[in-house]
Amino acid sequence: DGGITQSPKYLFRKEGQNVTLSCEQNLNHDAMYWYRQDPGQGLRLIYYSQIVNDFQKGDIAEGYSVSREKKESFPLTVTSAQKNPTAFYLCASSRYGQENEKLFFGSGTQLSVL
Amino acid sequence: AQKVTQAQTEISVVEKEDVTLDCVYETRDTTYYLFWYKQPPSGELVFLIRRNSFDEQNEISGRYSWNFQKSTSSFNFTITASQVVDSAVYFCALSETGGFKTIFGAGTRLFVKA
Repeated sequence: DGGITQSPKYLFRKEGQNVTLSCEQNLNHDAMYWYRQDPGQGLRLIYYSQIVNDFQKGDIAEGYSVSREKKESFPLTVTSAQKNPTAFYLCASSRYGQENEKLFFGSGTQLSVL
Repeated sequence: AQKVTQAQTEISVVEKEDVTLDCVYETRDTTYYLFWYKQPPSGELVFLIRRNSFDEQNEISGRYSWNFQKSTSSFNFTITASQVVDSAVYFCALSETGGFKTIFGAGTRLFVKA
């Protein structure tokens, strides 16, 4: 079945540590996105990529980094510069990254700080 | 600037009741797209419907119906004869022409009690 796979489901970060969240899709979609979800808030865009080897900052990119070396993969690194990383992280994709396209989501990663 | 407001944080109903989830949006564009997504406890957002700004025709899909009114900038979602499986967080979202991102409302958590 085609879809988006995020791993791990739960992740714990120590002070000063960088952690990487994995996102893989087999939908052959060009565009991929990372969203952050905090309780009682909507999804906020961290980074997005419309093509391999290219990505753009979203609304809350500070303290995060991404790469897009392969079409199917879009990992997110939460760096030590992100002072409040505890949140639910959702990866998404769409066929071409156009405004009329629906988004397909993974099942998310819950990141907590130890 | 674009904005999506879901004023209802939580709604609790008894099974078989009808329930309406409100969504009000702001945009300066004349061409835009509105979406509803469902987030069950598993965490993965699931697409429900997309509507473009030129199509004000209401839509019905089984127990779900959507009322789009440009005059009041609203795109409300009604579940008829609610069921326990409808319990989830529902997000309304907006995407503008030429935009690379979808803006989400804060979500409405729906509890359906048996």
